[in-house]
Amino acid sequence: QKEVEQDPGPLSVPEGAIVSLNCTYSNSAFQYFMWYRQYSRKGPELLMYTYSSGNKEDGRFTAQVDKSSKYISLFIRDSQPSDSATYLCAMSHRRGSNYQLIWGAGTKLIIKP
Amino acid sequence: DGGITQSPKYLFRKEGQNVTLSCEQNLNHDAMYWYRQDPGQGLRLIYYSQIVNDFQKGDIAEGYSVSREKKESFPLTVTSAQKNPTAFYLCASSRQGASSGANVLTFGAGSRLTVL
Repeated sequence: QKEVEQDPGPLSVPEGAIVSLNCTYSNSAFQYFMWYRQYSRKGPELLMYTYSSGNKEDGRFTAQVDKSSKYISLFIRDSQPSDSATYLCAMSHRRGSNYQLIWGAGTKLIIKP
Repeated sequence: DGGITQSPKYLFRKEGQNVTLSCEQNLNHDAMYWYRQDPGQGLRLIYYSQIVNDFQKGDIAEGYSVSREKKESFPLTVTSAQKNPTAFYLCASSRQGASSGANVLTFGAGSRLTVL
């Protein structure tokens, strides 16, 4: 079983819809949770990160962490065609003196005009 | 503009040949990383370096080698010992380094290696 599970999609929604992207994880030691966006043939770029449980909002994006369920979500409001990309979740926990970062496989999102 | 430059963008090589991927950053970041991305899998860490002249193996270091002679540069060599080298390779850097949980990575655009 992978430490971080993410539905690969593709997830196809009409422009303007609310999008929900999710990751589940098995290791309760994860403390920091991140969402990256990756356009085709490009490197990932950080969208948001959160520490521990709770919500964080940035413009049209909201990140949510539920540590009791080992579940994180990224919501996109008023989705735009430019949001079409692969969304990667990542999370870290302390391992010795460093933090280990574990990545989900990514969900491909398609916003139809 | 500050960022990470990876080259070449696309590379084709025959089996048994070593190949070196370049990664240069002008962000003045101390830490640099190499990841491999394969379809259906999360990014996997190959090597990372937190300071010049020092680097550590990641989860899948076998068949790869790196050097860190300058702060700005962290080249990756894919050797003939790597059994399945065809992949998308991503270089990243960070200010905080692996000792921080909130380690925000900045990525390059990637290099796609195809071994024929």
